Amino acid sequence: KAGVTQTPRYLIKTRGQQVTLSCSPISGHRSVSWYQQTPGQGLQFLFEYFSETQRNKGNFPGRFSGRQFSNSRSEMNVSTLELGDSALYLCASSLRGQSTDTQYFGPGTRLTVL
Amino acid sequence: DAKTTQPTSMDCAEGRAANLPCNHSTISGNEYVYWYRQIHSQGPQYIIHGLKNNETNEMASLIITEDRKSSTLILPHATLRDTAVYYCIVRVAVITGGGNKLTFGTGTQLKVEL
Repeated sequence: KAGVTQTPRYLIKTRGQQVTLSCSPISGHRSVSWYQQTPGQGLQFLFEYFSETQRNKGNFPGRFSGRQFSNSRSEMNVSTLELGDSALYLCASSLRGQSTDTQYFGPGTRLTVL
Repeated sequence: DAKTTQPTSMDCAEGRAANLPCNHSTISGNEYVYWYRQIHSQGPQYIIHGLKNNETNEMASLIITEDRKSSTLILPHATLRDTAVYYCIVRVAVITGGGNKLTFGTGTQLKVEL
């Protein structure tokens, strides 16, 4: 069974631009969560989607948004990019979206903001 | 979710067992202990999880103390490829309502050497 895939793997943007990252969960998984990893803050939870609805949200500004499609694929969008948004963005999927479910991570998208 | 405390770094000789400790003294009765590892700049990889009993899979063993205030992840025969940051996470077992959020600490940098 294929794992979680994320596209693109690497991205370079400039300040003020916006970016969309994509995540395809493991087949049959309905919950998708997003995380941001930076050297200073470590791994931080952004938000979780289940059945096309955002169910949990971390402490990030409104510039960070996401959505989930009927096939469980998810996208996250960052508008008005800032230098501090440079990070590894990770997507994780789980089967039923219950907190007892194991989350499986993708390889991440490395975003560099210049 | 309960807070965890892990050593910042550990070294291990290749072929020997790596024992990674984790303190979670405020853990509640319904919280699971999860272990993930992250090899440099890759997505975190699920290793193992448990509630009360010791657990073993093809990757590792998890030993949870009887009072559940601490646990140890054991890699029985460490190899150079096991060099990674290891994260110990405790999660509330909420069956309904979702809550698929992992709270990562700073983890333990394990270095396996020849």
